[in-house]
Amino acid sequence: DGGITQSPKYLFRKEGQNVTLSCEQNLNHDAMYWYRQDPGQGLRLIYYSQIVNDFQKGDIAEGYSVSREKKESFPLTVTSAQKNPTAFYLCASKEGNYGYTFGSGTRLTVV
Amino acid sequence: GDSVTQMEGPVTLSEEAFLTINCTYTATGYPSLFWYVQYPGEGLQLLLKATKADDKGSNKGFEATYRKETTSFHLEKGSVQVSDSAVYFCALTDSGGSNYKLTFGKGTLLTVNP
Repeated sequence: DGGITQSPKYLFRKEGQNVTLSCEQNLNHDAMYWYRQDPGQGLRLIYYSQIVNDFQKGDIAEGYSVSREKKESFPLTVTSAQKNPTAFYLCASKEGNYGYTFGSGTRLTVV
Repeated sequence: GDSVTQMEGPVTLSEEAFLTINCTYTATGYPSLFWYVQYPGEGLQLLLKATKADDKGSNKGFEATYRKETTSFHLEKGSVQVSDSAVYFCALTDSGGSNYKLTFGKGTLLTVNP
């Protein structure tokens, strides 16, 4: 079945470390997105990519980086510059006017 | 800019009660409106959508009508079940503005007791 796979489901990061969250889709969608979810905050857009080899900052891009070398992959790196990285991270994809498809999320905790 | 405001929770109901979760929006263009549902520990699933004024989206007994005059998209269900316990998000995409992304409300936690 087509869908979005995020891994790992749980991730622990030490202070000062960079970590990379994986997002893979087999839906052949052009556009992919990373959102951050915090309790009581809704979802906020970190980065998005509408086509391979191109991506744009969202509303809260500071401390994050992405790449889009392949259509099916959009990894997110949480750098040491992100001061409050503990959150639930959701990846999504979209094609044309169809609805967005979300992955099952990665919960990142700083230890 | 675009924004979505939905009623704050948590909302606690007994099984078979009537549910309303209010959602209003601000948009610069002609938004499409969505309700997403998130079960514990999972990602978001599209529950229903409406793409133009007066459209009614419906799915699994849930309904919402796109009201342009009141800029609202309230979610309703006539008889909730314990399995409806989840977080519900109202969201929009705006054809005249930030069409590239979904703008979300803060979510409403619904708990249904047997």
